[in-house]
Amino acid sequence: GAGVSQSPSNKVTEKGKDVELRCDPISGHTALYWYRQRLGQGLEFLIYFQGNSAPDKSGLPSDRFSAERTGESVSTLTIQRTQQEDSAVYLCASSPIGTAGNTIYFGEGSWLTVV
Amino acid sequence: DQQVKQNSPSLSVQEGRISILNCDYTNSMFDYFLWYKKYPAEGPTFLISISSIKDKNEDGRFTVFLNKSAKHLSLHIVPSQPGDSAVYFCAAENYGGSQGNLIFGKGTKLSVKP
Repeated sequence: GAGVSQSPSNKVTEKGKDVELRCDPISGHTALYWYRQRLGQGLEFLIYFQGNSAPDKSGLPSDRFSAERTGESVSTLTIQRTQQEDSAVYLCASSPIGTAGNTIYFGEGSWLTVV
Repeated sequence: DQQVKQNSPSLSVQEGRISILNCDYTNSMFDYFLWYKKYPAEGPTFLISISSIKDKNEDGRFTVFLNKSAKHLSLHIVPSQPGDSAVYFCAAENYGGSQGNLIFGKGTKLSVKP
């Protein structure tokens, strides 16, 4: 597709369940980012993938959060044993290359509600 | 500790007037700055950027000013239009370093009244 695609667009899950969020970056983009935005908060960096380099996981809030990326394509963000504080919109973004001052392009987000 | 701060959570402006959105940063290693606009239920979209070697960048109705000594940047929109109503995020990056992520502020919600 032309843009960053995320699925599901909306997810309601029970506390304690695991969820997987998927991101398809723009074709050819080597860098992929996950951010989240909780209600009333700014965009919070979670994790960054750049090519075959080790990902920058410095923003992951706890060990319940993990992410994988297959080559330079799809990424999956997994949240284990979800908590109510995990409720947020999870935004994926990609850019042509990483640390080059390039703009990054966001998907529409996956809205997660933990009840 | 917030590295990028947008101290005004909201701003209301009359159509046709100037909107000024402010952003402060603390990390002197930041050397590239961007503004993103976000409508409800959509992902943020890129608006305008500026490198630290410049103090001004203009694109149509949008101008970004950078004051490195004050670690402050601002986005000017003139004239403001109702369609500009959105949340505006300031973001900063260590372009020349190893950091690969953009650090965002909390956003300022702009409302342009007709």
